[in-house]
Amino acid sequence: QQKVQQSPESLIVPEGGMASLNCTSSDRNVDYFWWYRQHSGKSPKMLMSIFSNGEKEEGRFTVHLNKASLHTSLHIRDSQPSDSALYLCAASKQGGRALIFGTGTTVSVSP
Amino acid sequence: AQTIHQWPVAEIKAVGSPLSLGCTIKGKSSPNLYWYWQATGGTLQQLFYSITVGQVESVVQLNLSASRPKDDQFILSTEKLLLSHSGFYLCAWSGGQANTEVFFGKGTRLTVV
Repeated sequence: QQKVQQSPESLIVPEGGMASLNCTSSDRNVDYFWWYRQHSGKSPKMLMSIFSNGEKEEGRFTVHLNKASLHTSLHIRDSQPSDSALYLCAASKQGGRALIFGTGTTVSVSP
Repeated sequence: AQTIHQWPVAEIKAVGSPLSLGCTIKGKSSPNLYWYWQATGGTLQQLFYSITVGQVESVVQLNLSASRPKDDQFILSTEKLLLSHSGFYLCAWSGGQANTEVFFGKGTRLTVV
């Protein structure tokens, strides 16, 4: 059973639009959430991480975390074609073996 | 700065043949090391984990083995490849503390025919 679930599976966003991605962990022991972006044929690179309740913004990217529900979301505003990629959510915890990745959301930004 | 180098970049191998993939991390002493596998467009499945030389933990059984012969080197291997081994193999490292960022190598694309 996948412990980190992401939705939607795929998303088409117009250029300049907003993309919203969701992620929930079923493991109540996780402390940290991570968002990675992986362009086709490349390796994943970390976008943002969050461990406190609330919101964190970096440029066009905003991450929210609700620790009570173990739900995080990633929002990309003013989406660009270069944002087209697989977005992977991951969770980690004290004593855990690195990151447990979710199922991923494929974002396609249409010009 | 830390660097991670994976080899080879890509491999096409026959079913039943042996395989050896490797990675080297420079600029970081005693890193935690990981092997991940990814089916095309899919999620990352953690295969192995190592916190120190000579110690490797298996996370999933895929008829693969891993070894850490040096502090900065991690090897993934099998004696007999299956079709199901095809995919993208990623070596990664992190610092020794919990909840730290994981950094990935550029990966090896394996096609088993």
